[in-house]
Amino acid sequence: SQTIHQWPATLVQPVGSPLSLECTVEGTSNPNLYWYRQAAGRGLQLLFYSVGIGQISSEVPQNLSASRPQDRQFILSSKKLLLSDSGFYLCAWGQGEQYFGPGTRLTVT
Amino acid sequence: SQQGEEDPQALSIQEGENATMNCSYKTSINNLQWYRQNSGRGLVHLILIRSNEREKHSGRLRVTLDTSKKSSSLLITASRAADTASYFCATVTGTYKYIFGTGTRLKVLA
Repeated sequence: SQTIHQWPATLVQPVGSPLSLECTVEGTSNPNLYWYRQAAGRGLQLLFYSVGIGQISSEVPQNLSASRPQDRQFILSSKKLLLSDSGFYLCAWGQGEQYFGPGTRLTVT
Repeated sequence: SQQGEEDPQALSIQEGENATMNCSYKTSINNLQWYRQNSGRGLVHLILIRSNEREKHSGRLRVTLDTSKKSSSLLITASRAADTASYFCATVTGTYKYIFGTGTRLKVLA
């Protein structure tokens, strides 16, 4: 069966520091992969999606970037975090239905 | 911008009652999906309805879709305390693009 992992589960980072969040999927090949951000008490904002290695589409221009170095690995990065980057980051995969990871709660202080 | 907007934003009902939440969207879609999120967790897929379908059932869930009004509703029958969660609709346009609404927070009182 398919499994999706995210780490870390929680993260507290100072403003201006770098960020790297990792997502990996098991049990499937060539999945469509997605990064979402959810502000407190709000809906999900699509940040990036990828249909294959090295193929990244950005939905929202901001100081975040994404990379897909391997088929089942999706990384969300930032060189310098802003206070507004705080939120709950969710990775998902799917073609049709989406399957979500457990999320990373990021607090930028 | 958000494609889906859920209504109401919050709903509180007694166990055993039915819960209805609505979703409106703005553009043509391939399908519409409903998801559930327990506090602090990832989302879980509940049901998918295609643009050429009008109604779909899954257990205690009933989803309707009215493409002429660009709206959908999710009905949970005989609600239980364990149904307490946030519920989101997601519209799918094209093959890869999922747009989630702002969600309805459902609280079922025992």
